Amino acid sequence: GAVVSQHPSRVICKSGTSVKIECRSLDFQATTMFWYRQFPKKSLMLMATSNEGSKATYEQGVEKDKFLINHASLTLSTLTVTSAHPEDSSFYICSARVLYTGELFFGEGSRLTVL
Amino acid sequence: GENVEQHPSTLSVQEGDSAVIKCTYSDSASNYFPWYKQELGKRPQLIIDIRSNVGEKKDQRIAVTLNKTAKHFSLHITETQPEDSAVYFCAANTNAGKSTFGDGTTLTVKP
Repeated sequence: GAVVSQHPSRVICKSGTSVKIECRSLDFQATTMFWYRQFPKKSLMLMATSNEGSKATYEQGVEKDKFLINHASLTLSTLTVTSAHPEDSSFYICSARVLYTGELFFGEGSRLTVL
Repeated sequence: GENVEQHPSTLSVQEGDSAVIKCTYSDSASNYFPWYKQELGKRPQLIIDIRSNVGEKKDQRIAVTLNKTAKHFSLHITETQPEDSAVYFCAANTNAGKSTFGDGTTLTVKP
């Protein structure tokens, strides 16, 4: 199957700093990528849909100014958690959609810990 | 929007037994139904999927059935093994590609 790489896998930061997470489709072009947040023993909660060359579409309740999403190329989307607080600590996962089949492939996930 | 319900939330079976996980969805426009397996701390992995023009699909010990009229689909795992222990998520997708996930089922296979 297709490969999606997410980096970093773990990050620890101080409260008030910003953290950038990258999601790359390694062997296919992804016009659409998705960002999720997952709490322990919970399902994937869609945060936003990232569209190449246009603004991201955010789900209700997700702060656009806090979770900045950029999809500058067909293989890269980034999520920046701005002014991070301890409550932002979570497992963030991206996925990329294969255009013609609709299959989703997930990144490895990034565990963010805000001290 | 789409709403996906998944049952049961936890399932414990003896090795060799079968396991069945069921999901219902609400949006009749959903046409693609994947199942993912997620081991602790790892990414979800697609294990099987089914499209709305098919009623059943099988891949070795794993099968998925879809009833479009009733808007439900199920995952069947036969001859379960301890390595099948994980959290399983169903999802329903529309043509726009947006996935709505079920809440997950924690499957434990006891040796």
